[in-house]
Amino acid sequence: DTAVSQTPKYLVTQMGNDKSIKCEQNLGHDTMYWYKQDSKKFLKIMFSYNNKELIINETVPNRFSPKSPDKAHLNLHINSLELGDSAVYFCASSQDTGRDGYTFGSGTRLTVV
Amino acid sequence: QQQVKQSPQSLIVQKGGISIINCAYENTAFDYFPWYQQFPGKGPALLIAIRPDVSEKKEGRFTISFNKSAKQFSLHIMDSQPGDSATYFCAASITNAGKSTFGDGTTLTVKP
Repeated sequence: DTAVSQTPKYLVTQMGNDKSIKCEQNLGHDTMYWYKQDSKKFLKIMFSYNNKELIINETVPNRFSPKSPDKAHLNLHINSLELGDSAVYFCASSQDTGRDGYTFGSGTRLTVV
Repeated sequence: QQQVKQSPQSLIVQKGGISIINCAYENTAFDYFPWYQQFPGKGPALLIAIRPDVSEKKEGRFTISFNKSAKQFSLHIMDSQPGDSATYFCAASITNAGKSTFGDGTTLTVKP
């Protein structure tokens, strides 16, 4: 059983399109995150949700909108995709905002052409 | 302002050698310091972590050394193996703040 699963694994799309990435965790964790990893492998937090409530919203363009329908799911919708959005997006989860570390998904490689 | 500085950017070690990766932080409110290991095409995986009330933690071949006064911590991999070749990230977090700040990563290559 995959603990944190993301779909799709790969996403190739044209500039200007709208796309979504889905994330689900079966660990019973109460906090979920989206991280972006660029081509240099730098990991930057985008959003954090605790019990479905947004607690961290870093300086991310408002074209990115997270949605957490319940504690086990955190989706990421991206409007009007730009070339610079190309990256690997990781979903992660933790218990109690990370007191014992995070469990990451395997990532979604987004390529905007 | 980069809150967690990691070095070196890349590291090549012979099989059986010791790999050492260093991190320095600025925010004294950080209270949890994990290390993650990432293989190509995979997400980072929690390897080992330490809290500032101890100076060292060991799990198998992996040891974290923590120096609170210097605001530095390091990962030591003893008897490094080719299977340890991966990217390693240090991180620091304030556990009730809901985010971890990651270092820039170190690509470790262990030569047979």
